[in-house]
Amino acid sequence: EAQVTQNPRYLITVTGKKLTVTCSQNMNHEYMSWYRQDPGLGLRQIYYSMNVEVTDKGDVPEGYKVSRKEKRNFPLILESPSPNQTSLYFCASSSHSGTSGTYHSYEQYFGPGTRLTVT
Amino acid sequence: LAKTTQPISMDSYEGQEVNITCSHNNIATNDYITWYQQFPSQGPRFIIQGYKTKVTNEVASLFIPADRKSSTLSLPRVSLSDTAVYYCLVGDIAGRSSNTGKLIFGQGTTLQVKP
Repeated sequence: EAQVTQNPRYLITVTGKKLTVTCSQNMNHEYMSWYRQDPGLGLRQIYYSMNVEVTDKGDVPEGYKVSRKEKRNFPLILESPSPNQTSLYFCASSSHSGTSGTYHSYEQYFGPGTRLTVT
Repeated sequence: LAKTTQPISMDSYEGQEVNITCSHNNIATNDYITWYQQFPSQGPRFIIQGYKTKVTNEVASLFIPADRKSSTLSLPRVSLSDTAVYYCLVGDIAGRSSNTGKLIFGQGTTLQVKP
């Protein structure tokens, strides 16, 4: 079954304790992205990756790191979590990464979400 | 910088047709317009996308005028299970041809379907 998986689904942690949220897709997609969702603010992009070893900042990258060493995995790293990073996080992947001169499609598959609480 | 604007909320009754409009005045020339549906505590789910004119699938229709500065998602004969938040999505580079994965979701439209 084609899917995007995230782990853990729920996490409660304390300020400053490094954590990693894993994301994996089994569709051989080039494009992967992380979003956070907060009440009243909708979905905001944190980081994205156009392909292996290619990552770039989204709208709200501060306090986060990512890596893309393999095509299927795109972990989100919080080196020193703070309470303002309490949020619902979604990973997504797409077969369309966009290429200059062609049409850009944004049909993404989303994971089930990770609810993070930082106290 | 591309930006999308949608109504915050809409109400409807079962069996009615619902139209949700999104404005995206600065859409890039080669961007598709994509719509998603999201239920509480779930990830967004792709509904439909289009570049121009009209697109229809088994779930919805998408109407895009010639200037592409807006799009309208049409849900025929909604049911209670269509109660959800609906998002439109475009790329973050305005105007000219873009080559980016940076994406901007609108604020979303909360659709409440009543019996």
